[in-house]
Amino acid sequence: KNEVEQSPQNLTAQEGEFITINCSYSVGISALHWLQQHPGGGIVSLFMLSSGKKKHGRLIATINIQEKHSSLHITASHPRDSAVYICAVNYGGSQGNLIFGKGTKLSVKP
Amino acid sequence: NAGVTQTPKFRVLKTGQSMTLLCAQDMNHEYMYWYRQDPGMGLRLIHYSVGEGTTAKGEVPDGYNVSRLKKQNFLLGLESAAPSQTSVYFCASQPYGRTVPLHFGNGTRLTVT
Repeated sequence: KNEVEQSPQNLTAQEGEFITINCSYSVGISALHWLQQHPGGGIVSLFMLSSGKKKHGRLIATINIQEKHSSLHITASHPRDSAVYICAVNYGGSQGNLIFGKGTKLSVKP
Repeated sequence: NAGVTQTPKFRVLKTGQSMTLLCAQDMNHEYMYWYRQDPGMGLRLIHYSVGEGTTAKGEVPDGYNVSRLKKQNFLLGLESAAPSQTSVYFCASQPYGRTVPLHFGNGTRLTVT
């Protein structure tokens, strides 16, 4: 069974800390998504990766295809970063057939 | 630019009732998806569509039907609602290509009593 595992499940940080969220998957993939779900429920796409590294503002996403692992880093964390971060992978076939992790709930304290 | 719009935002149904959730996107995206999100579980794909007039089953299709008569609209139907279908439903759209992001609607919270 294709699975996506995220760690940690919950994470509490102080404002300004460097944060890392991890995502591991079980077989080869064609693409990996990082999503952010705010307390209000809306979901926003942060990154879509097939190799290497991407950066947007204070967020950095990396993927290691050989190790089947991706990380999402947040530098200089801020309370507004508090959200659930979700990893999703596309195992091939239709681009729409994604498997989602259960999410990492991040709380950044001022 | 509205993006992806879901209606309704909330709904309460009695067991056995039917309803249709509407997803509309104004970005001319080819792909559209319906997901459900339950506590302690990741988003799960119900049905998806790769273009007007086409639909396909996802991971959890039982009890749901879909239609995509127009490219901009993707409808999710519950013919006979069951308490197990209590969930938050998200629609998403995506242009063709594996390296493009998903665009999500704001969700529909459905309760079946």
